[in-house]
Amino acid sequence: EPEVTQTPSHQVTQMGQEVILRCVPISNHLYFYWYRQILGQKVEFLVSFYNNEISEKSEIFDDQFSVERPDGSNFTLKIRSTKLEDSAMYFCASMGLYVTNYGYTFGSGTRLTVV
Amino acid sequence: AQTVTQSQPEMSVQEAETVTLSCTYDTSENNYYLFWYKQPPSRQMILVIRQEAYKQQNATENRFSVNFQKAAKSFSLKISDSQLGDTAMYFCAFMKHWRNTPLVFGKGTRLSVIA
Repeated sequence: EPEVTQTPSHQVTQMGQEVILRCVPISNHLYFYWYRQILGQKVEFLVSFYNNEISEKSEIFDDQFSVERPDGSNFTLKIRSTKLEDSAMYFCASMGLYVTNYGYTFGSGTRLTVV
Repeated sequence: AQTVTQSQPEMSVQEAETVTLSCTYDTSENNYYLFWYKQPPSRQMILVIRQEAYKQQNATENRFSVNFQKAAKSFSLKISDSQLGDTAMYFCAFMKHWRNTPLVFGKGTRLSVIA
């Protein structure tokens, strides 16, 4: 079964550093997403991406965040200057043309720890 | 804006017994999708079951079934013949019936299956 792949699985970074979280969505999917889950809390939407541009973003997705799809397969989330409160699990997800046909699939997540 | 409420932070069930997890939601949409996701200790998000709001028939997947009450905006998950591997966080989620809309999650229910 096709998978969404995320790397790294765990990243530790110093406060103020830039991090890039990487995702390889399912190849024939069209819609891409990033979600965040602070430990012990619910999963929160960050941003959605379609046709090489952001289609929707939440209030969490401020100027320190950016996304891009540099080569048609990878989908990255960049955090420019990390803060302690950015420590969380970050999930990438992708979806095909129809939820019922191709589903909405999550990757296994990247655990980001800011120290 | 849509909201999803899971009123049971924690539940436990004996192995082989049946348990029901509650979820209510609020929306003005008429067409939408509802999901239950399982998050084991590995923190991966695993789709358990999906329900389309325009379908009156309740979805079932092996030991998992839902009770979808559209008028009451209720979407409960029943797990039959509970197994130790069912121990996890369970999240209820809502999505509008449009191609590129984000999931809105509840806060989750932590289920423990006891031997």
